[in-house]
Amino acid sequence: QKEVEQDPGPLSVPEGAIVSLNCTYSNSAFQYFMWYRQYSRKGPELLMYTYSSGNKEDGRFTAQVDKSSKYISLFIRDSQPSDSATYLCAMSAQSNTGKLIFGQGTTLQVKP
Amino acid sequence: NAGVMQNPRHLVRRRGQEARLRCSPMKGHSHVYWYRQLPEEGLKFMVYLQKENIIDESGMPKERFSAEFPKEGPSILRIQQVVRGDSAAYFCASSPDRGETQYFGPGTRLLVL
Repeated sequence: QKEVEQDPGPLSVPEGAIVSLNCTYSNSAFQYFMWYRQYSRKGPELLMYTYSSGNKEDGRFTAQVDKSSKYISLFIRDSQPSDSATYLCAMSAQSNTGKLIFGQGTTLQVKP
Repeated sequence: NAGVMQNPRHLVRRRGQEARLRCSPMKGHSHVYWYRQLPEEGLKFMVYLQKENIIDESGMPKERFSAEFPKEGPSILRIQQVVRGDSAAYFCASSPDRGETQYFGPGTRLLVL
């Protein structure tokens, strides 16, 4: 079993839709949770960073962490064609290890 | 402020040759991380370095792979005697401190013929 599970998709939605992306994990020691966006042939770009449980909002993006269920989500409101990319969840157990564990990534396509 | 820089962006090697991948962290960042991304897979951690020190190399293959981050100059990921299975995208990330805010470079795509 992988430490972090993420549905690879692809996920296709019309422009303006609300997108929900999710990851589950097995290691209860994970405390730091991130979402990265990766465009084709590019490096990952940090979108959201959260510590422990709760919600965090930044513009059209909302990240949720439910540690009791070992489940994290990223919501994208009013999705745009420019949001079409692969979204990677990442997490780590301690602040000083530097080692991020990534999900496989979900490919999102937003159709105009 | 320039981001993380990696070169070359594309590298072609024949089996048995050596591959050297370079990473220059963001200005002010002294922590460097290397990840490998195989086709249809997520990023896999390889090694975490601070200037002149390897902090965590738990993701590095035991043979043929080595990494360094000298006092001066870029971090180097070195793969000796490459095999076709080494074909992948190799990403470098950097951070200003020992934390999780890692900023990634554009990657080096290695193709082994």
